[in-house]
Amino acid sequence: DGGITQSPKYLFRKEGQNVTLSCEQNLNHDAMYWYRQDPGQGLRLIYYSQIVNDFQKGDIAEGYSVSREKKESFPLTVTSAQKNPTAFYLCATRDRFISGANVLTFGAGSRLTVL
Amino acid sequence: QQQVKQSPQSLIVQKGGISIINCAYENTAFDYFPWYQQFPGKGPALLIAIRPDVSEKKEGRFTISFNKSAKQFSLHIMDSQPGDSATYFCAASPADKLIFGTGTRLQVFP
Repeated sequence: DGGITQSPKYLFRKEGQNVTLSCEQNLNHDAMYWYRQDPGQGLRLIYYSQIVNDFQKGDIAEGYSVSREKKESFPLTVTSAQKNPTAFYLCATRDRFISGANVLTFGAGSRLTVL
Repeated sequence: QQQVKQSPQSLIVQKGGISIINCAYENTAFDYFPWYQQFPGKGPALLIAIRPDVSEKKEGRFTISFNKSAKQFSLHIMDSQPGDSATYFCAASPADKLIFGTGTRLQVFP
């Protein structure tokens, strides 16, 4: 069953704690993305990676970190430096071979709540 | 400019009616314009997309109209159904990423 698996689906954390969201894909897609979704603000790009061991900051990277050690995995760490981390986090992939079109496939998301 | 502006924020339509959502962009380098549909608690899914070399694309009840000179594009949902109730996002593509609009929550009442 091909797709993108995000875990956990729901996560609660206390202020000052780091938390890591998992994103795993078996689509063999090269590029992976992390977006944050807040009501009324749409989807905002946090980080993206086009190949293993390389990633770029998006529009709201402050307070977040990522790694891309394997093609299949692109975990996102929400650090204590992120001032307003409560949000719905979406991981996406893009198939490089759909030429010229950024066709993104999204996972089901992880909802993080800071208590 | 990297923004994509979307309106309205919410839309209520009677079953069988036409739903229209509008988006505008500023950067003429954008070359791919998709629409995504998202149901509550789920990730967005690609609905329909267009490139700037065509003015209209239709897939079933869903149509994108594209006005390159005005830098605007819109989604039309004909014969809207309660199952279309969802949040819709327009997006635009510069290079290797997508920039999304703020979303439109569509409610279709029977």
